[in-house]
Amino acid sequence: AQSVAQPEDQVNVAEGNPLTVKCTYSVSGNPYLFWYVQYPNRGLQFLLKYITGDNLVKGSYGFEAEFNKSQTSFHLKKPSALVSDSALYFCAVRDSAAGGGNKLTFGTGTQLKVEL
Amino acid sequence: GAGVSQSPSNKVTEKGKDVELRCDPISGHTALYWYRQSLGQGLEFLIYFQGNSAPDKSGLPSDRFSAERTGGSVSTLTIQRTQQEDSAVYLCASSQDRGRAGELFFGEGSRLTVL
Repeated sequence: AQSVAQPEDQVNVAEGNPLTVKCTYSVSGNPYLFWYVQYPNRGLQFLLKYITGDNLVKGSYGFEAEFNKSQTSFHLKKPSALVSDSALYFCAVRDSAAGGGNKLTFGTGTQLKVEL
Repeated sequence: GAGVSQSPSNKVTEKGKDVELRCDPISGHTALYWYRQSLGQGLEFLIYFQGNSAPDKSGLPSDRFSAERTGGSVSTLTIQRTQQEDSAVYLCASSQDRGRAGELFFGEGSRLTVL
């Protein structure tokens, strides 16, 4: 079975400082990994994904994420946070192995709050 | 519009009533998903449709929940005899990728409140 853990319910950071939102995963085969962002009263928006290749993936709005196979992690990062980055962030995983199923499994989300 | 469209955006119903939630995916997307988002509990997978294949219903929480997808496009999620614990935001998503590497595009959800 596949699973995702986001160990922090909330992350607070000052504007201009770097931010990290943590994610670890568990799958049988190789993972397909995704980050989504949800603004208040809106649906989820895709930020970035890791399928294969370079471990550092760049996505929308200046976000990036680093895939670490040995630590089974896919942490979301941004070098300089903005107040407008304040939102709910979800990590998700799908197993690439045959028979791994088609559903995308989401973490419970991390609320990011960026303050002036 | 070009995105995933869901209706109604808000639905308030009485316990025991049936409700139908509609999803219109992005044109050309063959895969369609339903998820449920409850406060503090992340996203819960409900059901997945891919083309003409049999749907993956493994996430449906009870036999009161059902979904269909007509003509490979519009989908309807039906909840019969609603209970208060069914209150949540129901999110629909579509994807054009027949494999498992494609990202999902989400609608803005249908907020269901059962009184």
